[in-house]
This record gives sequence, structure tokens and C-alpha cells, in this order.
Amino acid sequence: EVQLVESGGGLVEPGGSLRLSCAASGVTFSDAWMSWVRQAPGKGLEWVGRIKGKIDRGTIDYAAPVKGRFTISRDDPKNTLFLQMNSLKTEDTAVYYCTTGSGWHRDAFDVWGQGTMVTVSS
Amino acid sequence: EIVLTQSPGTLSLSPGERATLSCRASQTVSSRYLAWYQQKPGQAPRLLIYGASSRATGIPDKFSGSGSGTDFTLTITRLEPEDFAVYYCQQYADSVPVTFGPGTKVDIK
Repeated sequence: EVQLVESGGGLVEPGGSLRLSCAASGVTFSDAWMSWVRQAPGKGLEWVGRIKGKIDRGTIDYAAPVKGRFTISRDDPKNTLFLQMNSLKTEDTAVYYCTTGSGWHRDAFDVWGQGTMVTVSS
Repeated sequence: EIVLTQSPGTLSLSPGERATLSCRASQTVSSRYLAWYQQKPGQAPRLLIYGASSRATGIPDKFSGSGSGTDFTLTITRLEPEDFAVYYCQQYADSVPVTFGPGTKVDIK
């Protein structure tokens, strides 16, 4: 069974930085396409970005609102995904989910972590 | 970017009724890369449908997806109490950012 466990959320001031982690188990992590999806309080789902697996050259894509401020990376030997968030804004306040898909539809997310809350406030 | 619009925003139905949810894309979703999710309060989303019409593992056949191009539908037959939730559509076509619709809330009438 694939499991994803996020950590690293918390309270940070506007302009600050935070690094989220996602520990994966039960999956061939190096091949997995891993995404971050966030959800602001009372709002809908928003895709943040994705890093493809090694076989797909680890290509990284970002949503426009976070491009240039957020960086996705992975440590395959440690089965861990990261989200480095810099220049944080109040509108980045959200629950951040780590997620992945399987088979040919790797961006249809069938496994989700429990989420970690990020609050950007002074 | 492909923008997804869901309708209605809220659907009020009684247990046992049928729910029909709509998702419209601003441009063609290639290869039918369209998914549907269910989310309950305080929980992570759950994948119901991928590839527009394929049920995810463990999803009962009361959930069905259809459509192609720019118009897609999620149908839930015989609503049960645990089906009252928010439903999101998502497109994941290649070479474009993944996007989600704003959601349809199915609540008890």
C-alpha cells in the first residue's frame, strides 16, 4: 500500500520561507510522478507543481502563481519529496497535499497524504 | 491553461436520487485526461474517475463518468448519506498545467 506523509508546515511571516517534506512508502519512488496540491481555507483545490520520475528525466512544472518562488525537488534514495517555498505571501496560506498517480494516468491522483497546514501571517 | 467550469455550484438532493454534475473545459481536453474527485470535510480528496470514464480502484459502480472534448459529466445513481460531499473535476492533459474545477457541493435536501 502506497503511503504519503507530509511534514514541515507551520506559521511563517510574509516574505519568509518554509520547506515541506513528503515521505513515501510502498511505491517505486524514483519512477513516480509526484505533485503538490494546495487548498486554501474554505476554497477549492489548486495544483502547485509536479516533478516527473527519473525515467522521464525528472522534469519539473509549476503553476503560474508559484513559479519563481517555489522549488520542487526529490531525494530518491530517501523516498522523499520536497517543496521549498520562498517569498511567501498571505495568499499561500493553505493545506498542502503531496500526491501521486499510477499507471498511464500519472497525474490522476489516487494517493494523497494527510496534508500539512501552512499559515502565512504577520 | 485550460479553465474548468463546474455546474451547478450546489446540488440539493434527497437520498436515493440521482446526481448529475457537469464539467466544461475552455478547450479540448486531449486523450480524455479528465478526472473526478470526492472530498469530505477535513479529508483529502479521493479519486473516483480517471480518463473521463474509468473508475478508480475500489470505487463502486454507482459512480460513472462520461464525455469528451470540452464537456464531461459525473453521474451518481441512488445517493447515499456518505455521497454528500464536494466533487471536483480535474484535467491533466499533457504539456499544460494541471487544473481543477471550482467544485460542486452535493448536499442533502
